[in-house]
Amino acid sequence: KAGVTQTPRYLIKTRGQQVTLSCSPISGHRSVSWYQQTPGQGLQFLFEYFSETQRNKGNFPGRFSGRQFSNSRSEMNVSTLELGDSALYLCASSWGTSGRGSTDTQYFGPGTRLTVL
Amino acid sequence: GENVEQHPSTLSVQEGDSAVIKCTYSDSASNYFPWYKQELGKRPQLIIDIRSNVGEKKDQRIAVTLNKTAKHFSLHITETQPEDSAVYFCAAVGSNYKLTFGKGTLLTVNP
Repeated sequence: KAGVTQTPRYLIKTRGQQVTLSCSPISGHRSVSWYQQTPGQGLQFLFEYFSETQRNKGNFPGRFSGRQFSNSRSEMNVSTLELGDSALYLCASSWGTSGRGSTDTQYFGPGTRLTVL
Repeated sequence: GENVEQHPSTLSVQEGDSAVIKCTYSDSASNYFPWYKQELGKRPQLIIDIRSNVGEKKDQRIAVTLNKTAKHFSLHITETQPEDSAVYFCAAVGSNYKLTFGKGTLLTVNP
């Protein structure tokens, strides 16, 4: 079974630009969660999508948004990039069928390393 | 919301020794506690998890214990090997339904 994939793996952007990251979950998984990983703040939850609906949201500004398609692939968008948005963005997929706050195992993708200059 | 604290932030052991990493959580409603291992430049991978109705779980050299009363859980690695060197993260799912992570422990196993 293919694992979670993310594209692109690396991105360099400048302040004020916007960026779109993509995540393809494991086949059959319907939940996709996004996390931001930085040396200072560690791993922080951004949001979770299940069946094309945002099911949960972390404490990030509205510049961070996402969506999920009918094939469960998900994208996240960051608008008006700031220097502090430089991070590794990880997505994780799971079956997600046990409801919000699912305790299904989450499988992480390799991440997209975003650098904002 | 949930707050997860993890200690120590760095841990260095000799090959063959045991390693223990401890986490505390704030939300008494938390019911799921996974541990992830992240090697340098790699993705986090689940190594073991425990649910709130269980006090201990073991998988070969790895074990996790949960004390719901004290709101803490620990990861125990026995007979450590150099390939165990990585950053380990504990996490908890609480009443906000989010997976909240500790800040991580950098484990170094010296041959």
